[in-house]
Amino acid sequence: QVQLQESGPGLVKPSETLSLTCTVSGGSISSYYWSWIRQPAGKGLEWIGRIYTSGSTNYNPSLKSRVTMSVDTSKNQFSLKLSSVTAADTAVYYCARDEGTLYWGQGTLVTVSS
Amino acid sequence: EIVLTQSPGTLSLSPGERATLSCRASQSVSSSYLAWYQQKPGQAPRLLIYGASSRATGIPDRFSGSGSGTDFTLTISRLEPEDFAVYYCQQYGSSLTFGPGTKVDIK
Repeated sequence: QVQLQESGPGLVKPSETLSLTCTVSGGSISSYYWSWIRQPAGKGLEWIGRIYTSGSTNYNPSLKSRVTMSVDTSKNQFSLKLSSVTAADTAVYYCARDEGTLYWGQGTLVTVSS
Repeated sequence: EIVLTQSPGTLSLSPGERATLSCRASQSVSSSYLAWYQQKPGQAPRLLIYGASSRATGIPDRFSGSGSGTDFTLTISRLEPEDFAVYYCQQYGSSLTFGPGTKVDIK
């Protein structure tokens, strides 16, 4: 059974870049789309974007200017970078296998604060 | 971008009652690529329904989905204590978007 685990700093300073990695275990990362989704405390879900294992990407237009995703098939990992963060980017960040429907990791809280 | 609207925002019901949740799309969702998720506090969302009406693996048959085009419904036939949660619809026919959620709480 595939498992996804997010990792990265839990605290990021304003104006800096948030960096997260999702490690996929129990299955190959190849030939799937992989997405990032976030959820501020007490609020709804926001899709950030997706990457295919070829490296092609599709980002949420509202975040596109600040988002970069990458994939490392040799490590069975994919990553998210979100630049110029503010307090509004504080959220639980989820990675997911994206077949249209989503198979989720457990999520990781990232707080933006000085 | 397809915008999803969910109603009501909160549904207050008692165990054993029927819950009817609505999800409306700003434009037609192609091929009924509409899913429903359940989320409990501190947990990731769990897939309940995909393709508007197909139950995901392991989902009890008290959960059912229906609809097409722009109007979709999630029905929980008889609420169990573990069903009190937030429910999100998601479309995956054109990129990916979520509705704002419906909270089902105990009356």
